Amino acid sequence: GAVVSQHPSRVICKSGTSVKIECRSLDFQATTMFWYRQFPKQSLMLMATSNEGSKATYEQGVEKDKFLINHASLTLSTLTVTSAHPEDSSFYICSAGTGQNYGYTFGSGTRLTVV
Amino acid sequence: GIQVEQSPPDLILQEGANSTLRCNFSDSVNNLQWFHQNPWGQLINLFYIPSGTKQNGRLSATTVATERYSLLYISSSQTTDSGVYFCAVLLTGDYKLSFGAGTTVTVRA
Repeated sequence: GAVVSQHPSRVICKSGTSVKIECRSLDFQATTMFWYRQFPKQSLMLMATSNEGSKATYEQGVEKDKFLINHASLTLSTLTVTSAHPEDSSFYICSAGTGQNYGYTFGSGTRLTVV
Repeated sequence: GIQVEQSPPDLILQEGANSTLRCNFSDSVNNLQWFHQNPWGQLINLFYIPSGTKQNGRLSATTVATERYSLLYISSSQTTDSGVYFCAVLLTGDYKLSFGAGTTVTVRA
């Protein structure tokens, strides 16, 4: 089956630094990937749609300068949290569509803690 | 946007019990998926089921698209079934999944 790999699974960083999260489609090509954020005991909130070779599309209220998305190849999208602050601490999950009859598959998520 | 409502919000089961989770949605969809989020946060794709009925082991799901609801059945529940179950839909003509708030299932030994 289609697999999406996400790294790192857990990261702790100091306030003011930047953190990069990688999302790879392992056995399929993904022209579009999605980045979600999830707060404790809440549902997933779509942050942005990552498009290979073009600019990402951000959801309303998501700061594009804080959450930089790069989708440079058909198998890799990255999310960089710039100048991280404690309020950016959250669980970030990426996703990709795998075809009509399978739907969307998700990475294992990255738990970011900013101290 | 489309509304996705899941019920019940919380469910506590004794091991071996059966249960039904419900997902109602407010508009026509061309994709509906059920996911299980385990305690480590991983979202496991249970079913891709825009319509009809599917079964996978102790789990089965039914979507009645014309009536805008889907049901997830868990039979003979086990402690490993604990976690949050999400329903997510794709509005016809859209490409972004919309998630329900989830049902938190706790299975006690």
